[in-house]
Amino acid sequence: EIVLTQSPGTLSLSPGERATLSCRASQSVSSTYLAWYQQKPGQAPRLLIYGPSSRATGIPDRFSGSGSGTDFTLTISRLEPEDFAVYYCQQYGSSPSYTFGQGTKLEIK
Amino acid sequence: EVQLVESGGGLVKPGGSLRLSCAASGFTFSNAWMSWVRQAPGKGLEWVGRIKSKTDGGTTDYAAPVKGRFTISRDDSKITLYLQMNSLKTEDTAVYYCATISGYRFQYWGQGTLVTVSS
Repeated sequence: EIVLTQSPGTLSLSPGERATLSCRASQSVSSTYLAWYQQKPGQAPRLLIYGPSSRATGIPDRFSGSGSGTDFTLTISRLEPEDFAVYYCQQYGSSPSYTFGQGTKLEIK
Repeated sequence: EVQLVESGGGLVKPGGSLRLSCAASGFTFSNAWMSWVRQAPGKGLEWVGRIKSKTDGGTTDYAAPVKGRFTISRDDSKITLYLQMNSLKTEDTAVYYCATISGYRFQYWGQGTLVTVSS
């Protein structure tokens, strides 16, 4: 089973700064099968990015995804106050299975 | 607008059973692949299982920790997804979300229902 490792565990930044979140897979993943989610406290996750660079409906263009193989990145170009949340990457694998990374908490510095 | 509303959560003793429901609206439920994802308190997300649309065979797949204990079903006439949970363990304590599957991702999510397994 493919394991996704996200880094850093916690990222402390200020509004207006650029955020770079990493998701590393234990073996190569098709980029088609990679997605990112945002979750705020007490809320359900929300799909942000898939495929790995297509934005879901309604997602602002300050969010972007990139990567291939085993290394994927979610970038938030200029942080807004509402962007502070936990972010998860997710991949689809054979069997079938869907696995998530452990999450990166983006907090206000 | 897509809406998914879970219900049926609550407190249950270890070894007990519970059935969760997910009422859907705002999309063609019968064509959708659906999934359950859970989140233990303070932890990350864990896929539970999925069910394909009937036109795609209606088959189910499960994560290893729940295989043989949990059963996903659907009633397209009632536009509802179900999760039957048997032989519950304390480690099954979590918020359970239903979600639509689009491609290889979870596109729309419900608000979740809390299941607590405790004596």
